[in-house]
Amino acid sequence: GAVVSQHPSRVICKSGTSVKIECRSLDFQATTMFWYRQFPKQSLMLMATSNEGSKATYEQGVEKDKFLINHASLTLSTLTVTSAHPEDSSFYICSAYSGVNEQFFGPGTRLTVL
Amino acid sequence: GEDVEQSLFLSVREGDSSVINCTYTDSSSTYLYWYKQEPGAGLQLLTYIFSNMDMKQDQRLTVLLNKKDKHLSLRIADTQTGDSAIYFCAESEGNTPLVFGKGTRLSVIA
Repeated sequence: GAVVSQHPSRVICKSGTSVKIECRSLDFQATTMFWYRQFPKQSLMLMATSNEGSKATYEQGVEKDKFLINHASLTLSTLTVTSAHPEDSSFYICSAYSGVNEQFFGPGTRLTVL
Repeated sequence: GEDVEQSLFLSVREGDSSVINCTYTDSSSTYLYWYKQEPGAGLQLLTYIFSNMDMKQDQRLTVLLNKKDKHLSLRIADTQTGDSAIYFCAESEGNTPLVFGKGTRLSVIA
């Protein structure tokens, strides 16, 4: 199947700093990418839908000014957690829609905010 | 909104079959997925089934879909200790975000 990468895989940062997470589709173009968040022992919750060339659509309760999403190209979407706090510590996973009725997930990024 | 429900825990003996059940509410669901997540790892797509299918088999995995009852199951034959993980059921209409269940933690006893 198609490959989606995420970088970094793990990040530890101090409270108040900003962290950027990249999601890349390596062998296909993805007009739509999704960002999910998974808290420990919980399911994945959709945060936002990222469309290439347009503004992201955020789910209710997700602050767009805190979680900045930029889908600059057909193979790259970035999620920036601004002014991160300990409650933002989570597992962030992206998926890319290949246009052939299947989504491919990245391996996830574990964010720990001290 | 859409909802996907799964039992939270399942424990089986090595060599037995495991059956993980899932129910969903969205009648527009076109694709139903089973993902596996090992500790600290991302999601691994195990298999998926189109809503116009009743069954799909792939090696040790068998997916059954009862569209009338909106019930999906995943059967793992000859369960091994390496199958211990969390299994997520998910549904989508294709190009829409996946809606996930809370996951079923499968424990395999040697």
